[in-house]
Order: sequence, then structure tokens, then C-alpha cells
Amino acid sequence: GQQLNQSPQSMFIQEGEDVSMNCTSSSIFNTWLWYKQDPGEGPVLLIALYKAGELTSNGRLTAQFGITRKDSFLNISASIPSDVGIYFCAGRIDNYGQNFVFGPGTRLSVLP
Amino acid sequence: ETGVTQTPRHLVMGMTNKKSLKCEQHLGHNAMYWYKQSAKKPLELMFVYSLEERVENNSVPSRFSPECPNSSHLFLHLHTLQPEDSALYLCASSQPPLGGNEQFFGPGTRLTVL
Repeated sequence: GQQLNQSPQSMFIQEGEDVSMNCTSSSIFNTWLWYKQDPGEGPVLLIALYKAGELTSNGRLTAQFGITRKDSFLNISASIPSDVGIYFCAGRIDNYGQNFVFGPGTRLSVLP
Repeated sequence: ETGVTQTPRHLVMGMTNKKSLKCEQHLGHNAMYWYKQSAKKPLELMFVYSLEERVENNSVPSRFSPECPNSSHLFLHLHTLQPEDSALYLCASSQPPLGGNEQFFGPGTRLTVL
């Protein structure tokens, strides 16, 4: 079945640094979502992407829908301590289906 | 209350117990989902309900039984669970096909099966 890979699995960065993480698949997706999950909480939607090549920002976060439709990346600029958490990508193959496939997540730690 | 709420937040149960997890969404959505999140594994979709009808059941064992009495409420009834069923159970809702169908998650129920 469809599977998403996320890299890196985990990362430690200094406060103020920029962060880049990505999500790849061997399958083509028509929608990409990026979520953040804090400990003990459910995932919170950060950014949604619907078109190949689309670049969307949400504050310090920027995400892009890859041209091949098989990947997406998320950048965080000027990281702060509250950026700590697990970042998940999710992809949907058909336009109107309700099923998303989730990646295993990238765990981000921010050192003061 | 806003968004998606789940109760209880934490549950410890024995293998012979029967319990239920509850999810309520206040977003006016008409699709609801149950996911299982185990440590170091991707979220696993368990059940999807659209307009109160089950549309997906990803080969989930029968010891998990969902119920969707209306578009705002979703239950997961648990019976004779196994220790490997211990996980975070997440509920989500969405509004297909319009609005992009982004899923909004509740905070989850942390389940421990002894």
C-alpha cells in the first residue's frame, strides 16, 4: 500500500536556527498536510497543500508540494522552544477521498 | 466547547473489562475517524464514518466496535482487549468533499491494557 517516509527521524537544533524536513513516497498524492503533535495531545494541522508546486506559508512555517507529487517539505525559520514536538506529513491520493496516509513523524528538539 | 473533544483522556483497563471511548466534534463536519497511534509507528486508520455510515474498516479486530449515532458523536467500544492494544486513540473529523477535507484531531485517549 501507500507509504510515506519522513526524514530526518529526529533532529536537535539550537534556538534561532532554521529547520528543514521532508516527506517522500513512491506514490503520487493529490493533497499534502503537515501536522504538529505536542506530547499528550492530538496532531494540530499546520499547512495544507493542494497543487503540485504550491508553496504555502503559515507564520514562520513554509511548506511546498513537490512537482513530482511524490514529496513535500516543511521549513521552520528562526526556531523557538515551543516548536518542539513531532511533525507529521499526511498524503491523500484521490481528490475527494477521506483516507489519508500518515508518515512516521520527525521529532524536533530545540536547545536553548 | 470547540473543536474535537475526547473522553476520557486516560483509561486503564483489564483484559476482561468493557469500556467505551467518546468523541464529540463541534465543527459541523460530517465525517469522523478513529486512529490508533502506537509508539514509533505512523498513525493507523481504524474506522471512517461519513454521514453516520461506516465507509472504511481497515481490518480492525472485532474487539473494537465503533458507533456513530449522529454526525457529531463517535464512540469506540472496547471489549476483551490485549496488552498490545495499549496506545493513544485519536478521533478526527472533516468536511468532505469541500473545504479540502483536512482532518482535525481531538487530544486523544491514552489507553493502557493490563
